[in-house]
Amino acid sequence: QSALTQPPSASGSPGQSVTISCTGTSSDVGGYNYVSWYQHHPGKAPKLMIYEVSKRPSGVPDRFSGSKSGNTASLTVSGLQAEDEADYYCSSYAGSYLYVFGTGTMVTVL
Amino acid sequence: EVQLVESGGGLVQPGGSLRLSCAASGFTFSGHWMHWVRQAPGKGLVWVSHINTGGSITSYAGSVKGRFTISRDNAENTLFLQMNSLRADDTAVYYCARSSFYQMDVWGQGTTVTVSS
Repeated sequence: QSALTQPPSASGSPGQSVTISCTGTSSDVGGYNYVSWYQHHPGKAPKLMIYEVSKRPSGVPDRFSGSKSGNTASLTVSGLQAEDEADYYCSSYAGSYLYVFGTGTMVTVL
Repeated sequence: EVQLVESGGGLVQPGGSLRLSCAASGFTFSGHWMHWVRQAPGKGLVWVSHINTGGSITSYAGSVKGRFTISRDNAENTLFLQMNSLRADDTAVYYCARSSFYQMDVWGQGTTVTVSS
């Protein structure tokens, strides 16, 4: 299993939008609608932000949205706020009870 | 409150063994598959292992297969990760996470494992 590819960093000013890509293969991202996104503030527990490509758990602001096209999934954070500054990881089911995470993207609010 | 608390981390020499525990509370532990995920210093999250509700189905990342064993005690609401033949590149914070279908919806705070002589 190779890690899914994410850009190392992304940034935006407060109120702007930022989109993070997550590229895999037809064996993971492209093969299943089981892509999830996690927010991770260093030293804290990761938090589920998006599951099954585009669904939001209760309590997650609707500023967070997800999509997928082919082997690439995306997370968009609209109306950036200071508390959105964190590391973001995508994850995909890869068949046979296996999972894979992305390389991670550090989001900076300028 | 739904909670996962990892323990058992520490300093171990290369080639040594360590057993991590994850105590679950606030939900029906026996009704959920569970995961272990790790993060090496300065690196990203890496999926390690997965176990079904009864413990009969397990899966592992290639980097740990044959060295790590995931198990659970539903009577004690506890998840385990037995780590043998430890290497320096196993140094990481180890998180347990609750599985909800195909996503990890509850995470612990992690326990640190350092493999060094």
